[in-house]
Amino acid sequence: DIVLTQSPGTLSLSPGERATLSCRASQSVSSNLAWYQQKPGQAPRLLIYDASSRAAGIPDRFSGSGSETDFTLTINRLEPEDFAVYYCQQYGRSSGLTFGPGTKVDIK
Amino acid sequence: DVQVVESGGGLVQPGGSLRLSCAASGFTVSSNDMNWVRQAPGKGLEWVSIIYKGGDTYYADSVKGRFTISRDYSKNTVYLQTNSLRAEDTAVYFCARVHYGYLDIWGKGTTVTVSS
Repeated sequence: DIVLTQSPGTLSLSPGERATLSCRASQSVSSNLAWYQQKPGQAPRLLIYDASSRAAGIPDRFSGSGSETDFTLTINRLEPEDFAVYYCQQYGRSSGLTFGPGTKVDIK
Repeated sequence: DVQVVESGGGLVQPGGSLRLSCAASGFTVSSNDMNWVRQAPGKGLEWVSIIYKGGDTYYADSVKGRFTISRDYSKNTVYLQTNSLRAEDTAVYFCARVHYGYLDIWGKGTTVTVSS
């Protein structure tokens, strides 16, 4: 089974700064990777799919990159509403979905 | 509006059962893959089960043999029958639509608490 590892576990930044989050897969997932944002008490929200495509309604300060085993979510110019937990996810038809453990972006 | 709404959670004793429901609107569950994800208190997201539009079903090892996913076309609803519940099944259970392998529509979740 594919394992996703996210780093760092917590990222402490100030509004206006850039956040760079990493997701590494234990084997190649091609570009079949998504990123989600989750705020306390809310359901996750899809941000990025196919490694680099923004979901509908997602601001362009969010961008994704990478392929095979190494992926990055970049948030340019952090807004107050961006402080949240971010998860990466990959998909395999018979193995289901796999989530990474998450990266918390909190206010410095 | 395209949305899903979960229900059926509650407090149950270890070994008990609950049937969770996921009512869809704005799309049909018969034409989409549907999925359950759970989140234990203070923890990350854990995939639970998926039902493909063709009918195939798959489960996480942690629930295999105890949980069953199904759907009712007439009610446009997906279900998760949870049996032999354990303390470690305590979580918020989210229903989500699968779109090309990604979860694009999520419900707000229903809470399952397993405790004596």
